[in-house]
Amino acid sequence: GAVVSQHPSWVICKSGTSVKIECRSLDFQATTMFWYRQFPKQSLMLMATSNEGSKATYEQGVEKDKFLINHASLTLSTLTVTSAHPEDSSFYICSAPSRGGTSTGELFFGEGSRLTVL
Amino acid sequence: AQTVTQSQPEMSVQEAETVTLSCTYDTSESDYYLFWYKQPPSRQMILVIRQEAYKQQNATENRFSVNFQKAAKSFSLKISDSQLGDAAMYFCAYRSFDAGGTSYGKLTFGQGTILTVHP
Repeated sequence: GAVVSQHPSWVICKSGTSVKIECRSLDFQATTMFWYRQFPKQSLMLMATSNEGSKATYEQGVEKDKFLINHASLTLSTLTVTSAHPEDSSFYICSAPSRGGTSTGELFFGEGSRLTVL
Repeated sequence: AQTVTQSQPEMSVQEAETVTLSCTYDTSESDYYLFWYKQPPSRQMILVIRQEAYKQQNATENRFSVNFQKAAKSFSLKISDSQLGDAAMYFCAYRSFDAGGTSYGKLTFGQGTILTVHP
């Protein structure tokens, strides 16, 4: 099946610094990618939709200037947490539909990135 | 907007037994997808089973099957012959089918159910 890869899988940073998380579709092109945030033992909450070649669409309540999303190519989307604070500590997961996936409806998920802000 | 509700925060089952996880959803759309995803301790999301709303037949994947009741907006997951490896958090999810809609492609998740399998 289609593979989505995230990097890094685990990152620890100091408060006030910025952290970039990459999401790559390895064997298919993804014009759209979705970024989710998950707290321990809770559900996945959609943060934003990343669109190749255009601005991301953010969900209500998500700070655009805090969570910068760039989708520069058909295989790469990045999420940058700017001026990170301890409350930004969470598990971030990206997902993407494959071109053929629209017929099955399935989304493919990255491995996730655990961010800890000290 | 669509909502997905999982009313069982935790469930447990004995190995080799059968367990059913509940899910209800709310939508005004007629065409959509429903999914069950599994998230083990590794936190990698794994697709368990999918159902297209236009299909009346319940989806089945080996030991996993669903009871899809479209009119009741219910989508339960049955796990037969439970195995220790089935222990995980299970999420029910909804995805719009409408390619022209603003919600196209997004998954809406339920709250999740933590499944424990006892040996």
